Amino acid sequence: GENVEQHPSTLSVQEGDSAVIKCTYSDSASNYFPWYKQELGKRPQLIIDIRSNVGEKKDQRIAVTLNKTAKHFSLHITETQPEDSAVYFCAASDSGAGSYQLTFGKGTKLSVIP
Amino acid sequence: KAGVTQTPRYLIKTRGQQVTLSCSPISGHRSVSWYQQTPGQGLQFLFEYFSETQRNKGNFPGRFSGRQFSNSRSEMNVSTLELGDSALYLCASSFYRSYEQYFGPGTRLTVT
Repeated sequence: GENVEQHPSTLSVQEGDSAVIKCTYSDSASNYFPWYKQELGKRPQLIIDIRSNVGEKKDQRIAVTLNKTAKHFSLHITETQPEDSAVYFCAASDSGAGSYQLTFGKGTKLSVIP
Repeated sequence: KAGVTQTPRYLIKTRGQQVTLSCSPISGHRSVSWYQQTPGQGLQFLFEYFSETQRNKGNFPGRFSGRQFSNSRSEMNVSTLELGDSALYLCASSFYRSYEQYFGPGTRLTVT
């Protein structure tokens, strides 16, 4: 089955700096890669996703890049703000087998220091 | 549109008991997936339902089961509860098994 590794597990940045979270996956058939943000006591919230036919996607201060050859994808947050502080999860999904199961990384706790 | 809802939000049970959790998907969404979230294991897939049929099951014992109704609402059941079943149980809904899954607030289950 799929295995997703996520690094780092914790990340502290100064407000205004950029943050980068990296994930690798094992199943070359995976073709959908979402990122979720989970604030303390809240539900995971889908913030951005990318499909395997796209190399990069941006949404305001957030961007995701995908390298299919190397089987890794990354989340980039620019101009970080205190409200970006949360746990971020990457995930991978392979629809080829008829399943839409998401396999998650272990999460990255991002702290933005004012 | 209203988001995914889950009931109850909190539950305390003792070992050996059973529990049923409920999930109502976003209106129009027909697929429901369940995940278990724990500090040690993170988010782990339990099962997925679409059109009242289980489409996929994660690596959990048979004590974990679920079903989906004709209105797409879903329930999951855990029998013979163990201490290790204490977790946040999240359901997520998506439209016609498309990729975008939207999570509910979860049910916090504590087994004592």
